[in-house]
Amino acid sequence: DAKTTQPPSMDCAEGRAANLPCNHSTISGNEYVYWYRQIHSQGPQYIIHGLKNNETNEMASLIITEDRKSSTLILPHATLRDTAVYYCIVSRQSVNRDDKIIFGKGTRLHILP
Amino acid sequence: DAGVTQSPTHLIKTRGQQVTLRCSPKSGHDTVSWYQQALGQGPQFIFQYYEEEERQRGNFPDRFSGHQFPNYSSELNVNALLLGDSALYLCASSLMGSNTEAFFGQGTRLTVV
Repeated sequence: DAKTTQPPSMDCAEGRAANLPCNHSTISGNEYVYWYRQIHSQGPQYIIHGLKNNETNEMASLIITEDRKSSTLILPHATLRDTAVYYCIVSRQSVNRDDKIIFGKGTRLHILP
Repeated sequence: DAGVTQSPTHLIKTRGQQVTLRCSPKSGHDTVSWYQQALGQGPQFIFQYYEEEERQRGNFPDRFSGHQFPNYSSELNVNALLLGDSALYLCASSLMGSNTEAFFGQGTRLTVV
């Protein structure tokens, strides 16, 4: 089962920041938080991941709370092309075999013109 | 550098038939995972291959089987197709033991009639 909880849907106005929350209260110390998105009928696309520090790349920022029980993905200036289902995933990437990705239901983000 | 490539992109099969789907991982990756995504649902983990062996398996019947070749490419085989097997089948490649992201292909859309 997925270890994350996300709102089923959200709306955001074009040009504004989209803030997508995720709860992962049972996350283990060696599990990373990953975000992927899936635009209609395409394969999931990696966005960003982090362990405990906040992370930023050219697509988004990831804010992880100090207790690591929740995080927020921020798309700073949403465009219509950001309309997609966003998945928050916790995964243990380590030298053992347990690094499969388990998807939940994700958040369907609608960017409004 | 080609990313993850899957073939074919679409196919239609009849109930009871068998199907083989193919996946070539991203260059430098050694692990391939397969997912089934029904319409409106998140991807469901089928199994993962590493070093030519099935390492992990999700809750799928034995009708679903796979193989990994020495060049890391992989096949997913489904026997005795059911109407409920109609879905988007996704392949993801990754590097075992790394915390870098997994890359997904664009999927194969299987329709069983």
